[in-house]
Amino acid sequence: QSALTQPASVSGSPGQSITISCTGTSSDVGGYNFVSWYQQHPGKAPKLMIYDVSKRPSGVSNRFSGSKSGNTASLTISGLQAEDEADYYCSSYTSSSTFVFGTGTKVTV
Amino acid sequence: QITLKESGPTLVKPTQTLTLTCTFSGFSLSTSGVGVGWIRQPPGKALEWLALIYWDDDKRYSPSLKSRVTITKDTSKNQVVLTMTNMDPVDTATYYCAHRLGDILTGYYGSFGFDYWGQGTLVTVSS
Repeated sequence: QSALTQPASVSGSPGQSITISCTGTSSDVGGYNFVSWYQQHPGKAPKLMIYDVSKRPSGVSNRFSGSKSGNTASLTISGLQAEDEADYYCSSYTSSSTFVFGTGTKVTV
Repeated sequence: QITLKESGPTLVKPTQTLTLTCTFSGFSLSTSGVGVGWIRQPPGKALEWLALIYWDDDKRYSPSLKSRVTITKDTSKNQVVLTMTNMDPVDTATYYCAHRLGDILTGYYGSFGFDYWGQGTLVTVSS
């Protein structure tokens, strides 16, 4: 299985909205509503931000939202804040009952 | 409160076998639906999923590493062990263990992802 494809970097100004794409195949992203997104600050463990394509865990800001169309999932961060500067990874369950992560996107505010 | 912590050697030589232990608390691997996975991240690179073990001892492996990786559990000790054979410098990475996404209060484990992560342990492969 190949890693899901994400843009290497995305940037935005404070208060703006940005969207990160995550492209897979019909065997992963397109085949299941089990896409999750993780935020990772330097030297820290990843943090779950979105699961099941668009659900937010308790405690995650509603500025983070997720969606999916076909084989591509997206994470949108609205009202961009300095603390949102981090690396973001998507992940999907696959038809082989395994998991695959994305290539990662560095968000710069 | 769910916590996980990885432990094991920080340095291994090429061709050696790596054994990492994930010790967790706040949930039981004997509870239906529960799973613990391993994910690694080479310095400056992306996350890579390695393996996952479920409460019923079902095991899943990354296709690219399946021949080298074994995951086991010791329910009585609240531990999950990952072994990786024939280590190479390209296996240098921070290795994380993580709890399969689910609600320990309701027992609902209908999703696939990882909601709690250990702090990670850096393993360097070098002679």
